[in-house]
Amino acid sequence: DAGVIQSPRHEVTEMGQEVTLRCKPISGHDYLFWYRQTMMRGLELLIYFNNNVPIDDSGMPEDRFSAKMPNASFSTLKIQPSEPRDSAVYFCASRPSGLAGGEQYFGPGTRLTVT
Amino acid sequence: AQSVTQPDIHITVSEGASLELRCNYSYGATPYLFWYVQSPGQGLQLLLKYFSGDTLVQGIKGFEAEFKRSQSSFNLRKPSVHWSDAAEYFCAVGVQAGTALIFGKGTTLSVSS
Repeated sequence: DAGVIQSPRHEVTEMGQEVTLRCKPISGHDYLFWYRQTMMRGLELLIYFNNNVPIDDSGMPEDRFSAKMPNASFSTLKIQPSEPRDSAVYFCASRPSGLAGGEQYFGPGTRLTVT
Repeated sequence: AQSVTQPDIHITVSEGASLELRCNYSYGATPYLFWYVQSPGQGLQLLLKYFSGDTLVQGIKGFEAEFKRSQSSFNLRKPSVHWSDAAEYFCAVGVQAGTALIFGKGTTLSVSS
């Protein structure tokens, strides 16, 4: 299994630009999670999906952030417009339903730098 | 609300010495507990997990952790640290199957020769 795939691995953009991060979960996993990691705040949950439906988006910082999961094998996290404070590493994780305890499998992350 | 505390931000251990990383959680019932490791530039990898049963759990890379309900703790241990263990370690709590995990702020481990 290829594991969780994220692209791009690195993204550098200017303030005000739109940024789209992509994630392909492990095949057969019904849950998908988006996290943001910064030095100041650590690892924060942004949103998670179950069977392509957003379940909890209370961690999305503001309306500039949006996430979609059009099918079971693809999700996007979009920031529009981007700001320097959005600079962070963004992780996608997935897990199957029926796996007791919520163990999650993480992708390698996308390092976003907004100048 | 559930929370996870890792009291040590940074620990340095000599190669070959033993290691213990602390983790305390706040939750009214028995949670699901995890330790993840993150090497520089990498994602998080699961080291071990506790759901129920034996309170001493074994993980990969020679790590183990012990769940102590009375202390609300789930400390990670390794008897002999290798230089390759230098990384950031995260403790996490899951309160029911299917929901997201709550992570501690992490402990950075440095290994000196």
